Amino acid sequence: DGGITQSPKYLFRKEGQNVTLSCEQNLNHDAMYWYRQDPGQGLRLIYYSQIVNDFQKGDIAEGYSVSREKKESFPLTVTSAQKNPTAFYLCASSLYLAGANVLTFGAGSRLTVL
Amino acid sequence: DAKTTQPTSMDCAEGRAANLPCNHSTISGNEYVYWYRQIHSQGPQYIIHGLKNNETNEMASLIITEDRKSSTLILPHATLRDTAVYYCIVHIANFGNEKLTFGTGTRLTIIP
Repeated sequence: DGGITQSPKYLFRKEGQNVTLSCEQNLNHDAMYWYRQDPGQGLRLIYYSQIVNDFQKGDIAEGYSVSREKKESFPLTVTSAQKNPTAFYLCASSLYLAGANVLTFGAGSRLTVL
Repeated sequence: DAKTTQPTSMDCAEGRAANLPCNHSTISGNEYVYWYRQIHSQGPQYIIHGLKNNETNEMASLIITEDRKSSTLILPHATLRDTAVYYCIVHIANFGNEKLTFGTGTRLTIIP
């Protein structure tokens, strides 16, 4: 079945450590996204990528980094510069359907910094 | 992208139709209206989208007013599994403008 796989589902790290969250899709979608969600809040865009080897900052990119070396993969690194990294992280990819941009989301990765 | 306004929360009895409103008074002519939902601690799920005409699929119906300044998502026979946060989003699908902004949505609770 086609879809988006995020790993790990749960992650605990000590303060000051970098963490990399994996996102893989087999939907052949061109665009991929990373969102952050805090309790009781909506989703905020961190980074997005329209094509391989290109990505753009979203609304809250500070303290995060990404790469897009393959169409299927869009890993997110939460660096030690991110002041409050504990959150639920969601990866998505998108397909244009009749001129509209429809996102498919992964199940999410919950990061807790101790 | 145009801003959207949704009620913070709503209740609906199981088996009844759930009607979720969304205001988007600043929508431009080529912006689509999208609906997604997020069940607790899961990734959001696409429901439906439309431009001008009403749309229906296996999950829901989308009714867009003639002036396109508001819309309503209809779940025809709500079940307990429809309890979720529902997001209404307005967006232009242009290459180079793939940013979709999610607000806080409407928390729909289906009552047994």
